[in-house]
Amino acid sequence: GQQVMQIPQYQHVQEGEDFTTYCNSSTTLSNIQWYKQRPGGHPVFLIQLVKSGEVKKQKRLTFQFGEAKKNSSLHITATQTTDVGTYFCAGYNQGGKLIFGQGTELSVKP
Amino acid sequence: GAGVSQSPRYKVTKRGQDVALRCDPISGHVSLYWYRQALGQGPEFLTYFNYEAQQDKSGLPNDRFSAERPEGSISTLTIQRTEQRDSAMYRCASSQAQVGEQYFGPGTRLTVT
Repeated sequence: GQQVMQIPQYQHVQEGEDFTTYCNSSTTLSNIQWYKQRPGGHPVFLIQLVKSGEVKKQKRLTFQFGEAKKNSSLHITATQTTDVGTYFCAGYNQGGKLIFGQGTELSVKP
Repeated sequence: GAGVSQSPRYKVTKRGQDVALRCDPISGHVSLYWYRQALGQGPEFLTYFNYEAQQDKSGLPNDRFSAERPEGSISTLTIQRTEQRDSAMYRCASSQAQVGEQYFGPGTRLTVT
C-alpha cells in the first residue's frame, strides 16, 4: 500500500542553526500536510500544499511540494527552542485516507 | 467553539475485556478519523467517516475493532476481547471537509494488562 517516509528520524541542532526534514511518498499525492507534535501533546496542523512545485512560508518555516507531487520538505531557518517537537508530513490518497510519515524529532540545544 | 474531545483520557483494562473509546468532534465537522499512535511513530490510520457513513475501515487491525458514528457527530471506537498488543494511544481527529486540515483530540491512552 501507499507509504510515506521521512528522513531523518532525529535531528539535534544548536539554537540558531537551520533544520530540514524530507518526506517521500511511494505514490503521487493529491496534497500534502505538515503537522507538529510537541512532547506529550497531539499533532497540530501547520500547513497544506496542493499544487505541484508549491512553496509556502510561515515566518521561519518554508514548505515545498515537489514537481511530481511525491515529495515535500520543511525547512526551519535559525531554529529556536520553541521549535522542539516532532514534525510529521501526511498525504491524502485518492480514497481520502491520510497517511502519516514516521516523523522527524527535532531537539534544539540552547 | 471547543476542540475535539476524547474520553476517557486513560483506560486500564484487563485482557479479554471490551472497551469503548469516545470521540466528540468539533461541531459541524463532516469528517472524523481514528488513528493509533505508538511512541515515536506517526499516527496510523484506522478508519474514517463522512457524516455517519464509514468510508474506509481498511486500517482496523482485525475484526475485534469496530467504529460507529450513528448520528454523524460523536463516534465510538470499540475493541472487543482486548489483548496486550492493543495497548497504545488512540487518537481521533475531525475536519470540516473530507480533504482538509485535521484537528486532533488529546487521545485516549489504553493499557491492557
